[in-house]
Amino acid sequence: GENVEQHPSTLSVQEGDSAVIKCTYSDSASNYFPWYKQELGKRPQLIIDIRSNVGEKKDQRIAVTLNKTAKHFSLHITETQPEDSAVYFCAASSKSNYQLIWGAGTKLIIKP
Amino acid sequence: EAQVTQNPRYLITVTGKKLTVTCSQNMNHEYMSWYRQDPGLGLRQIYYSMNVEVTDKGDVPEGYKVSRKEKRNFPLILESPSPNQTSLYFCASSRGQGTHTQYFGPGTRLTVL
Repeated sequence: GENVEQHPSTLSVQEGDSAVIKCTYSDSASNYFPWYKQELGKRPQLIIDIRSNVGEKKDQRIAVTLNKTAKHFSLHITETQPEDSAVYFCAASSKSNYQLIWGAGTKLIIKP
Repeated sequence: EAQVTQNPRYLITVTGKKLTVTCSQNMNHEYMSWYRQDPGLGLRQIYYSMNVEVTDKGDVPEGYKVSRKEKRNFPLILESPSPNQTSLYFCASSRGQGTHTQYFGPGTRLTVL
């Protein structure tokens, strides 16, 4: 069936360094790829998304890249700050029912 | 203020005692969805609704029911809760299907003893 694999499950980086989280999807017809951030004890919130007609999208310190041929997309966070500590979820749209297929999440830890 | 609300936020109950978790949104969104979140498993969709009186199963619908009688409300019903339904539940809404920004409620922490 359709699935999204997300790696790594935990990522620890030094404050100020960059962090990269990668997701691989199985449905070649997927055309929407959002990233959600969930801070401890809070609800998930959309931080950035990309559609299949675009290869890269940036918003200040965060960026998402999409490689349709390889069926993977990545979240890049530069100059990490303590407030970036959270669980990040990727997702991909399913062409069969237009629902999102979610990755299992990455816990990002920013070390001071 | 645009928001999704859920009640209750915390609930401890016993096996077999029927319960309902309410979800309401004030953004006039057509699409609403229920997820459960368990450690290491991410967000798993339980049921979703494209509009009033239109509901469909997600990935883990067993043991749950939903209804969508009004656009703003999408209650989750556990007719006979079991301990494996102990989880963190999120309701979400968006203006169209799953390919638009989903706005999540604050979550409901359910424990079934």
